[in-house]
Amino acid sequence: AQSVTQLGSHVSVSEGALVLLRCNYSSSVPPYLFWYVQYPNQGLQLLLKYTSAATLVKGINGFEAEFKKSETSFHLTKPSAHMSDAAEYFCAVTFGGQNFVFGPGTRLSVLP
Amino acid sequence: GAVVSQHPSRVICKSGTSVKIECRSLDFQATTMFWYRQFPKQSLMLMATSNEGSKATYEQGVEKDKFLINHASLTLSTLTVTSAHPEDSSFYICSAREGSYEQYFGPGTRLTVT
Repeated sequence: AQSVTQLGSHVSVSEGALVLLRCNYSSSVPPYLFWYVQYPNQGLQLLLKYTSAATLVKGINGFEAEFKKSETSFHLTKPSAHMSDAAEYFCAVTFGGQNFVFGPGTRLSVLP
Repeated sequence: GAVVSQHPSRVICKSGTSVKIECRSLDFQATTMFWYRQFPKQSLMLMATSNEGSKATYEQGVEKDKFLINHASLTLSTLTVTSAHPEDSSFYICSAREGSYEQYFGPGTRLTVT
């Protein structure tokens, strides 16, 4: 069965530090991969997506992610954290046009 | 980009009553719409998938008689929570799919049952 894991339910970084949020998936078919951000009491906002084109994907707000097939990973990074980045982040996968499978989420805290 | 709206954004209802939540795709036709439920500090849980003009497909453990889904047009799906109970209080999010894979998410509806 397809699944998504996000290592670390809560990640804290200092303002200006590197952000690294981890996402791993299991699949027997090529996946499409997504990262979403959710602010309190709001819906999901798409940060970036991988759809079998370039393996390094750039998204909004300075985020990027790299698809590594050998590691079945799609980790999200940002060189310098900003206070406004504090939110919940979800990795999601869809396989062959099927339903999305969401990871459990990672709450990012940014310390001044 | 594609926009999905939900109405209402938050609703409070009394136990035993029914409440309807609307999900609309504003600038595209959605062949498929999805309903998710999100408990506090948890991920999204898919409740059901609906295709325009046909019956919704419910995920295991979701009561189809309690969570009525209607997808009457290519731009509108509704979720009706019937005979609501406090344990139905949650954040409900819909999404709409236009093509083969990408889903566009609505802003969510906060339901509180008193």
